[in-house]
Amino acid sequence: EAGVTQSPTHLIKTRGQQATLRCSPISGHTSVYWYQQALGLGLQFLLWYDEGEERNRGNFPPRFSGRQFPNYSSELNVNALELEDSALYLCASSFPDGWNYGYTFGSGTRLTVV
Amino acid sequence: AQKVTQAQTEISVVEKEDVTLDCVYETRDTTYYLFWYKQPPSGELVFLIRRNSFDEQNEISGRYSWNFQKSTSSFNFTITASQVVDSAVYFCALSDSNTGFQKLVFGTGTRLLVSP
Repeated sequence: EAGVTQSPTHLIKTRGQQATLRCSPISGHTSVYWYQQALGLGLQFLLWYDEGEERNRGNFPPRFSGRQFPNYSSELNVNALELEDSALYLCASSFPDGWNYGYTFGSGTRLTVV
Repeated sequence: AQKVTQAQTEISVVEKEDVTLDCVYETRDTTYYLFWYKQPPSGELVFLIRRNSFDEQNEISGRYSWNFQKSTSSFNFTITASQVVDSAVYFCALSDSNTGFQKLVFGTGTRLLVSP
């Protein structure tokens, strides 16, 4: 069974540009979560999507947004990139009650803003 | 508010030593879930264990064991006879009803370095 796949693996962008990160969940999982792992800040919850709807978001500005497609894959968009957006962005997927079955994470997209 | 504290930033041991990674959590909920994840250099978070607040039984899985104590709000992780492949960053995480259980609150992680 394929795990959670994220693309691209690495992404280098210039300050002010937009970045798009992609995530494909495990087959059967309808929930997708995005986390940011920035140096010195640990893992911070960004967004949760389930059945195509945004269900919850963390304390991030509106320039962090995303969507979930009918096949449950997801995109994370970061607009007007700032240097501090440089981080590893991890996607996870689960069944709707992920706390019972656990969350499976991908290997992440490392975003570097220069 | 929920909080997870992993006071040990980095631990270095020699292969075959036992090592315990500490995790202390804070929550006002009576129902909550605790997790441990391993993050090797590849970056992927690997799920190790999930425990709910009603199950205080300790668990052993091979060389791994977990000690859950509600009285001290701790969920410690012990690796017996450590191996070089255990070198990674280990995260403890919490979810509770305050976030609908869906959001994981992570500790800052403990980097374990096992040398041969």
